[in-house]
Amino acid sequence: DAGVIQSPRHEVTEMGQEVTLRCKPISGHNSLFWYRQTMMRGLELLIYFNNNVPIDDSGMPEDRFSAKMPNASFSTLKIQPSEPRDSAVYFCASSRDRERSPLHFGNGTRLTVT
Amino acid sequence: AQKITQTQPGMFVQEKEAVTLDCTYDTSDQSYGLFWYKQPSSGEMIFLIYQGSYDEQNATEGRYSLNFQKARKSANLVISASQLGDSAMYFCAMRGISSGSARQLTFGSGTQLTVLP
Repeated sequence: DAGVIQSPRHEVTEMGQEVTLRCKPISGHNSLFWYRQTMMRGLELLIYFNNNVPIDDSGMPEDRFSAKMPNASFSTLKIQPSEPRDSAVYFCASSRDRERSPLHFGNGTRLTVT
Repeated sequence: AQKITQTQPGMFVQEKEAVTLDCTYDTSDQSYGLFWYKQPSSGEMIFLIYQGSYDEQNATEGRYSLNFQKARKSANLVISASQLGDSAMYFCAMRGISSGSARQLTFGSGTQLTVLP
């Protein structure tokens, strides 16, 4: 089975540009998560969807960040406009909605904003 | 709110020796899951082992085992017979049963393990 698929793997952009990160979860998983990892702050949850509905977006840093899940097999995380402090690795993960279910992570998108 | 604490920023172990990575947690949920992930230098997050709060036996997966002490709220990872490929960052994480935000995976700050030849 294919795991969680994220694209692109690397993104380099200039400050002020729009960035869109994409994620395809594992088929049959009804929960999807976006995490951000930095050296300073570790792994932070940005937003969490269950059955395509956003459940908790309290981790979204500010209005420049938005996430959508139009269907069970696709999600996007958009940053507009991007800033250098957004530079990080962004992970998408999916799971079944049970406390026993591990999250399966994609390989991440390394974002660099210059 | 859930909280995971990993007090060892870095650990060293000699190849073929066993090592224990510490993890303590705090939660108000009665039922929850505890997870360990490995993140090698290549960056991917690899699920290692799971322990349920009501599981009577400590979880084991190959060379990985979990020393779960519920009363002390600790879930330490034991790696036996360390290999050079075990060098990585290790994260402890928790997932609660309550609906809403508790369903997320809350991570500790991680422990960087280095296996010495």
